[in-house]
Amino acid sequence: GAVVSQHPSRVICKSGTSVKIECRSLDFQATTMFWYRQFPKKSLMLMATSNEGSKATYEQGVEKDKFLINHASLTLSTLTVTSAHPEDSSFYICSAIRQGIKETQYFGPGTRLLVL
Amino acid sequence: AQSVTQLGSHVSVSEGALVLLRCNYSSSVPPYLFWYVQYPNQGLQLLLKYTTGATLVKGINGFEAEFKKSETSFHLTKPSAHMSDAAEYFCAVGGNEKLTFGTGTRLTIIP
Repeated sequence: GAVVSQHPSRVICKSGTSVKIECRSLDFQATTMFWYRQFPKKSLMLMATSNEGSKATYEQGVEKDKFLINHASLTLSTLTVTSAHPEDSSFYICSAIRQGIKETQYFGPGTRLLVL
Repeated sequence: AQSVTQLGSHVSVSEGALVLLRCNYSSSVPPYLFWYVQYPNQGLQLLLKYTTGATLVKGINGFEAEFKKSETSFHLTKPSAHMSDAAEYFCAVGGNEKLTFGTGTRLTIIP
């Protein structure tokens, strides 16, 4: 149990376009989901915390108007990178906490974004 | 505030040898501690975790870690390395849902 999926796994887009990444908990309900960004050979940087039905909480330095997060249901959170630029190219990973086991995060497989 | 220090960004061991990946943490509250493994171009997989209770924690793939409060450490070990253990390993500390990750240790297995 505790499977998290992400779609797409890889996306290439032109500079100035918007890209939506989906994060789904497949076999459990996720009260909270997290979005991370990982630079090459670096650790994970928490971008925001997403709770179902409420606004996301962004970490300091993360532009909330650029990285739109919607947590519409207990199994789905989306991250939209608006007006993407080459510096937004990165590996984006989501994680989810299942109801009742809040200390453990289960991670998705990640989405590789390349902005040309 | 919480932080994690992983000593050694790269560790190489021979196949069959002991694996030891070091992790030290700081936390103002009783910590929850985690080890995750990441294979290339993949997300993170939970290896093991410590929340409360027994300080020696066993995880998947033969890994284990011991929580030592006096040393603020949570080192990861495996008695005998296998080629499939080659990956990036992240130690993390939590306690209020959020996780703080170390910078990772890349484990290379020498045939």
